[in-house]
Amino acid sequence: AQSVAQPEDQVNVAEGNPLTVKCTYSVSGNPYLFWYVQYPNRGLQFLLKYITGDNLVKGSYGFEAEFNKSQTSFHLKKPSALVSDSALYFCAVRDSRSNDYKLSFGAGTTVTVRA
Amino acid sequence: DAGVTQSPTHLIKTRGQQVTLRCSPKSGHDTVSWYQQALGQGPQFIFQYYEEEERQRGNFPDRFSGHQFPNYSSELNVNALLLGDSALYLCASSSDYNEQFFGPGTRLTVL
Repeated sequence: AQSVAQPEDQVNVAEGNPLTVKCTYSVSGNPYLFWYVQYPNRGLQFLLKYITGDNLVKGSYGFEAEFNKSQTSFHLKKPSALVSDSALYFCAVRDSRSNDYKLSFGAGTTVTVRA
Repeated sequence: DAGVTQSPTHLIKTRGQQVTLRCSPKSGHDTVSWYQQALGQGPQFIFQYYEEEERQRGNFPDRFSGHQFPNYSSELNVNALLLGDSALYLCASSSDYNEQFFGPGTRLTVL
C-alpha cells in the first residue's frame, strides 16, 4: 500500500518570506513523487516531479522540492512567496512498480501568503 | 493545445439516479484516470483506462464504471447515486508512467 502524509493543514507566511510545505510518503517500491496546486473550484495543476536523479527538482513558478530517501520526505519550497501562491497544495506518490499506475494524494495543505 | 477537458461543469442529481461524466484527454495522451475529490480531501483514485481497457481500479464499488473510446476520450458512469457520491470528479490524462495532467473537474451534487 502507498500513502502520503501532509502534516500541516495550513501554512501561513508573509509575502517575500520562504515557503515550505511538508510531505512524507510510504511506498513499497521506489517512489515517483509529485506536487500539484489547486485554486478554488479548479482542477489540479502540475508543479513538479521526482522520478530519479538529482534530489533537488525545480518546477513551475519558482517552486522546488527536495527528495530525501532516508526521511521518506519530499518537501515543497519557494524562496520568496507571493500573494498569488495562496492555494491548496497536494503531494502525491506513485509506486515505480510497472503494474501500479495510480496516484495517491495527501489531504492537502492550504497556503496563505499575506501581503 | 487544449488541455484536458471535462463535461459537464456542474451536475445536480437525486438519489438513485444515474450519471455520466465525460473527459477528453490532452492531445497526445492515451491514458485516462478518474479521481473523486470529496470536500476538504485529496483526490481518491477510481480507475484508469488504457487501450480501451480498465487497467487498474481503486477501492470503489461496482456502481462506478467507465469506458474509453478509440479516440482516447473517456466516460465515468455512476449508478444508483448516493448522497455520499457528491464530490468533484477529476479526469487526468497521461502518455507515460509519469505526470498526470488534470482537467477542471465536474462538480456532482446528489440531493
